[in-house]
Amino acid sequence: NAGVTQTPKFQVLKTGQSMTLQCAQDMNHNSMYWYRQDPGMGLRLIYYSASEGTTDKGEVPNGYNVSRLNKREFSLRLESAAPSQTSVYFCASRLRAEGGYTFGSGTRLTVV
Amino acid sequence: GQQLNQSPQSMFIQEGEDVSMNCTSSSIFNTWLWYKQDPGEGPVLLIALYKAGELTSNGRLTAQFGITRKDSFLNISASIPSDVGIYFCAGHLLARETSGSRLTFGEGTQLTVNP
Repeated sequence: NAGVTQTPKFQVLKTGQSMTLQCAQDMNHNSMYWYRQDPGMGLRLIYYSASEGTTDKGEVPNGYNVSRLNKREFSLRLESAAPSQTSVYFCASRLRAEGGYTFGSGTRLTVV
Repeated sequence: GQQLNQSPQSMFIQEGEDVSMNCTSSSIFNTWLWYKQDPGEGPVLLIALYKAGELTSNGRLTAQFGITRKDSFLNISASIPSDVGIYFCAGHLLARETSGSRLTFGEGTQLTVNP
């Protein structure tokens, strides 16, 4: 089982460029999440999707947009990348409200 | 912002030693979870706790859900080099659970084990 798959694993962008981070899960999970991880700040929620067709803002949504393309896929888009968006991005999914999250292996993004 | 206080921020121990880390909050949590993150990987769930007072073990790991519902601890016994990584606590705040309810994460404890 692949679990949660994120692409790409690494990316370098110039300030102002745009890109989409892809996430797909094969566990038939209902909810999906995007987090960013920065040194000393733990995991901060950017956006989440409780179910197919719905998306909501998390703790740090500014500068990002998301699309829940179908039950399997949840993408994160940076329309105009900024150096402050240099981070490691994790996608996660969950089957039920009481369950833990399954995380992908992350996308390491550097904006120069 | 963060509602979980995780301590210590980092630990340097010798192989074979026991380790203890904890999370506290001013808020009441329904669920406590402990994750481990290896370098270059995403967090992996170690232990999930669903009831106040619950004590759960997973091999050399033991975690407890505090009676007040505001804290949890994780113990690792007889540490080995592969225990190295970042350990995160996480919890669901006491509220009506929906499929969209979100976990709150602590800032992590970086564990280093010297052989």
